[in-house]
Amino acid sequence: GNSVTQMEGPVTLSEEAFLTINCTYTATGYPSLFWYVQYPGEGLQLLLKATKADDKGSNKGFEATYRKETTSFHLEKGSVQVSDSAVYFCALSKGNNAGNMLTFGGGTRLMVKP
Amino acid sequence: SQTIHQWPATLVQPVGSPLSLECTVEGTSNPNLYWYRQAAGRGLQLLFYSVGIGQISSEVPQNLSASRPQDRQFILSSKKLLLSDSGFYLCAWSVLTERNQPQHFGDGTRLSIL
Repeated sequence: GNSVTQMEGPVTLSEEAFLTINCTYTATGYPSLFWYVQYPGEGLQLLLKATKADDKGSNKGFEATYRKETTSFHLEKGSVQVSDSAVYFCALSKGNNAGNMLTFGGGTRLMVKP
Repeated sequence: SQTIHQWPATLVQPVGSPLSLECTVEGTSNPNLYWYRQAAGRGLQLLFYSVGIGQISSEVPQNLSASRPQDRQFILSSKKLLLSDSGFYLCAWSVLTERNQPQHFGDGTRLSIL
C-alpha cells in the first residue's frame, strides 16, 4: 500500500540555520505530494505541493522537489525563523482516487531558537 | 474563495455524554469532506469521509458516527463519549471533480473528556 515516512523530530535549530526535513514515500501510480504545516493549536495549512516528477513546490521560502528516482520530497528552507516553529507533515494523494484521500507521514516538529 | 468553519473551538465533556461537532464549507459545491482525529503529539487518523450528501465511509470502527445532511455540512457525533475520544478533531474538504488535489483543513476542535 501507500506510505509516507518522515524523519522523526523534534528538530531544533537556531534562527537563520538551514532546514531539511526528509520525506520518502511508497506509492503506486503517479501521486501528488504535499507539505502541510501545523502551528500550535491550529489546523493544518497547505504549505506547498508538486504534482509530477521534477516539479518544485515553493512557498514562504520553503521548497521541495518531487524526486521520483529516489521517491523523496524533502522540505528545505535556507534560513529559518522563530515563527517557523511548527509541526510539518508530508503527504501524498493516491494516483487513482476520486476521493482525494491523503496518506500522511507522522509529522516532524521543528523548534527554532532565537 | 473557499472557507471552512468548525465549531466549537474547544469543548469539555463528561464521560458518557453525547457529542456533536459541526463543520461547514463555503465557496464551493459538492466537496469531498473528511473528519480526522489527532491525539496529543501524534499524527492524523482519518475517521470518516464523504463524497456526497448522505454518503459516509468509515475508516476506523469506534463509537463515533458522521452525517452529511447538506452538501457543505459535515457533522461528527457520538451518543456516549469515552475517555479515549479526547483529542483534536479536524474537518477538511477537497475538490470532488479533480484527482490528486490537496485537502484544506479547518481550525479544529479540541475535545477534552473528563
